[in-house]
Amino acid sequence: QVQLVESGGGVVQPGMSLRLSCAASGFRFSTYAMHWVRQAPGKGLEWVAVMSFDGSNKYYADSVKGRFTISRDNSKSTLYLPMSGLRAEDTAVYFCARGGHDTSGPLGYWGRGTLVTVSS
Amino acid sequence: SYVLTQPPSVSVAPGQTARITCGGNNIGSKSVHWYQQKPGQAPVLVIYNDNDRPSGIPERISGSNSGNTATLTISRVEAGDEADYYCQVWDTNSDHVFGTGTKVTVL
Repeated sequence: QVQLVESGGGVVQPGMSLRLSCAASGFRFSTYAMHWVRQAPGKGLEWVAVMSFDGSNKYYADSVKGRFTISRDNSKSTLYLPMSGLRAEDTAVYFCARGGHDTSGPLGYWGRGTLVTVSS
Repeated sequence: SYVLTQPPSVSVAPGQTARITCGGNNIGSKSVHWYQQKPGQAPVLVIYNDNDRPSGIPERISGSNSGNTATLTISRVEAGDEADYYCQVWDTNSDHVFGTGTKVTVL
């Protein structure tokens, strides 16, 4: 069955960096677009970024553009989200999610998320 | 940027029908997806492409989309349907957009 397991969250100070990972299994990772979505405590879902199945296309929410970089290693079935210049408003649970075969489809499977807390 | 507006909350008695709206400019021209999220859990896709159900989602959950409003309908509501529900679309200018979310309470 499809499994997505996020890791790398933690507590960091404002301005610092962190890298999230998402290990995928149970499906052919290299044929699906992959997303990051976040949810601040008590708030709604906010889409963060998507990368196409082959890594050739990537798109970001305006709120993270220039600070976050989505990447993937299809040989390891792993998605990454290096984050820099972190701000208090980046505090959230970060989910990785499997998209469709293109970057515009629905998010069919989600991981349980990893918590990032940005605080001094 | 493209905005999707949902009512903050909907209350419904067991066995009745819950309707959750998602408003957006000409949303009828887009494909709408719906997610259910229970407390402390990851979201689950319950409707995609306006009215298609992933495997395992009961037939009493359905969707529609026309004009400026998409609607998620849950018939014969059960206690287990209590959750937050989010609509979502892909927009050429805004990429992926989630609605503001609706908390469904089963009375």
